[in-house]
Amino acid sequence: EVQLVESGGALIKPGGSLRLSCAVSGLTFSNVWMTWVRQAPGKGLEWVGRIKSNSDGGTIEYGAPVKGRFTISRDDPENTLYLQMNSLKTEDTAVYFCVTGSGYDYQYDFWGQGTLVTVS
Amino acid sequence: DIQMTQSPSSVSASVGDTVTITCRASQTIYSYLNWYQQKVGKAPKLLIYAASSLESGVPSRFSGSGSGTDFTLTIRNLQPEDFASYYCQQSFRIPRSFGQGTKLEIK
Repeated sequence: EVQLVESGGALIKPGGSLRLSCAVSGLTFSNVWMTWVRQAPGKGLEWVGRIKSNSDGGTIEYGAPVKGRFTISRDDPENTLYLQMNSLKTEDTAVYFCVTGSGYDYQYDFWGQGTLVTVS
Repeated sequence: DIQMTQSPSSVSASVGDTVTITCRASQTIYSYLNWYQQKVGKAPKLLIYAASSLESGVPSRFSGSGSGTDFTLTIRNLQPEDFASYYCQQSFRIPRSFGQGTKLEIK
């Protein structure tokens, strides 16, 4: 069974930093592209960014609202995805989901339960 | 960036009804379109991928169609567990983008 478990969400002041983690099991983590999606309270889904597998070059892409402030990384031996968030703004308040598909990121088959980040 | 627009934003229906939700992309995305269902307090769940392919385990009352810029999600014979929010998402270009969502409520 594939499991994605996020952690690290917290209440943080504007301008602060936070690192989220996502522990992945049940699939070959090193082979899959990983994505972060967020959802502000009562709002829709927003794509945050994606990291390819290292075998596919490890390229990282970000959405415009977070580019330059957030950094996605992965630790393949630890089967863990990270999201380093700096210069946090109140509009970054959201539940952050760790997401993956069956290899690439053409569809999101597997989702974590999400972790809440509150910037206030 | 590709903008995804869903309609309606909300819809009321009864058990047994058929509901159609539409999604329009701001440029062609061929068939790179997925549909997700989200219940309150839960993570989204993939229903349809590549515009019309049913994800394993999803009931056959869900179906998707369309290509290019216009897509539809149809739910036939609505069941109580289908009342949720639905999102389309394009996977043709980076950044990936979602529609704003459609809330399906019980009439």
